Amino acid sequence: EVQLVESGGTLVQPGRSLRLSCTASGFTFGDYAMSWFRQAPGKGLEWVGFIRINGGTIEYAASVRGRFFISRDDSKSIAYLQMNSLKTEDTAVYYCARPVCEYSGYIWCYFDYWGQGTLVTVSS
Amino acid sequence: DIQMTQSPSSLSASVGDRVTITCRASQNLNSNLAWYQQKPGKAPKLLIYKASTLESGVPSKFSGTGSGTEFTLTISSLQPDDFATYYCQQYHIYWTFGQGTKVEVK
Repeated sequence: EVQLVESGGTLVQPGRSLRLSCTASGFTFGDYAMSWFRQAPGKGLEWVGFIRINGGTIEYAASVRGRFFISRDDSKSIAYLQMNSLKTEDTAVYYCARPVCEYSGYIWCYFDYWGQGTLVTVSS
Repeated sequence: DIQMTQSPSSLSASVGDRVTITCRASQNLNSNLAWYQQKPGKAPKLLIYKASTLESGVPSKFSGTGSGTEFTLTISSLQPDDFATYYCQQYHIYWTFGQGTKVEVK
């Protein structure tokens, strides 16, 4: 059974850093890209970032670029989201998700499995 | 950036009703569109991808149509378990979501 479990969410002060983890099981983690999304309280879904197989290419949403960094450890089946210089507007539930991708020059991916999410609250 | 406009933002319906949700994209997506269902406190659940392909295990009462810039999700006969929020997501260029449609009990 495919499972994704996020962890690391907590209350943190503005300007501080936090690292989230997404631990995968039930599939060969190294065969998949991974992505992070977030959802502010009472709001819609927002893509945060995407890391390809082997970590070769990493893409970020403009709202987090330069502050957030995604990495992966295939030996542990974990994807990470390092969040620096946190702002109050980063308060959200953060989800990791597994993509199903079609490669044809470009890459098109939708997401078939999501974790349960971890809450990050940025507040003084 | 591709903008997704989803309508309505909410609707009230009764069990057994046919419900249709619309999603419009600011540029051509071909068929690179997915639909998700989300219940309070839960992760999104994939319903449809490639605009009209039903995800494995999803009941056939859900259907998707459209291509280019206009897409619809239809629930043929609403059941109690279907009251939730529905999101469209384009995956043509990066990923953006519609604002969501909350389907509530009438």
